[in-house]
Amino acid sequence: ETGVTQSPTHLIKTRGQQVTLRCSSQSGHNTVSWYQQALGQGPQFIFQYYREEENGRGNFPPRFSGLQFPNYSSELNVNALELDDSALYLCASSLWQTNTEAFFGQGTRLTVV
Amino acid sequence: ELKVEQNPLFLSMQEGKNYTIYCNYSTTSDRLYWYRQDPGKSLESLFVLLSNGAVKQEGRLMASLDTKARLSTLHITAAVHDLSATYFCAVDIEDSNYQLIWGAGTKLIIKP
Repeated sequence: ETGVTQSPTHLIKTRGQQVTLRCSSQSGHNTVSWYQQALGQGPQFIFQYYREEENGRGNFPPRFSGLQFPNYSSELNVNALELDDSALYLCASSLWQTNTEAFFGQGTRLTVV
Repeated sequence: ELKVEQNPLFLSMQEGKNYTIYCNYSTTSDRLYWYRQDPGKSLESLFVLLSNGAVKQEGRLMASLDTKARLSTLHITAAVHDLSATYFCAVDIEDSNYQLIWGAGTKLIIKP
């Protein structure tokens, strides 16, 4: 197992609600990236945080937002949930500008009803 | 548009056979990653390929990278049932650091 932990593991929300997902990065890692993986598809890059700032964003609307804290942990917030937001949300931690690998957490399965 | 294409998307094979999964990409990135995902689970890093001609092997899996052809291969030798999983390749968005574009995945089923 990696040292990346995500919470909660499962979540059910109603359309229009807001959700916050959390990620604790592996010890020594300073960069967190978030991905959305719909069922049967490859992950899609949402955004990346380094030094508490967003450093790169994929093709996701502004209702997807995030934070990184001084201890490098991170949150993903999604407002005005839509049914299509139902997916596995994965965070990956890595060490900035190195050729070492990124490690993924176990993911949060979000279901929007 | 940046694209990563894997083929095949589905592969059913017998134990003991060899096969290759192909990953083509459209960026100029020279870093390519292979991950494994078991059903309902997260992504497990298999290989990080950092330069043209890179070849890495772990057990029955071997990955290679040709940056000029923008092609990576994941070769499976003498497959065993435990290798059944979905395999993804991914590349960095150009000049980024682990901002990855992913292939659709290859679902591999190995029958006894």
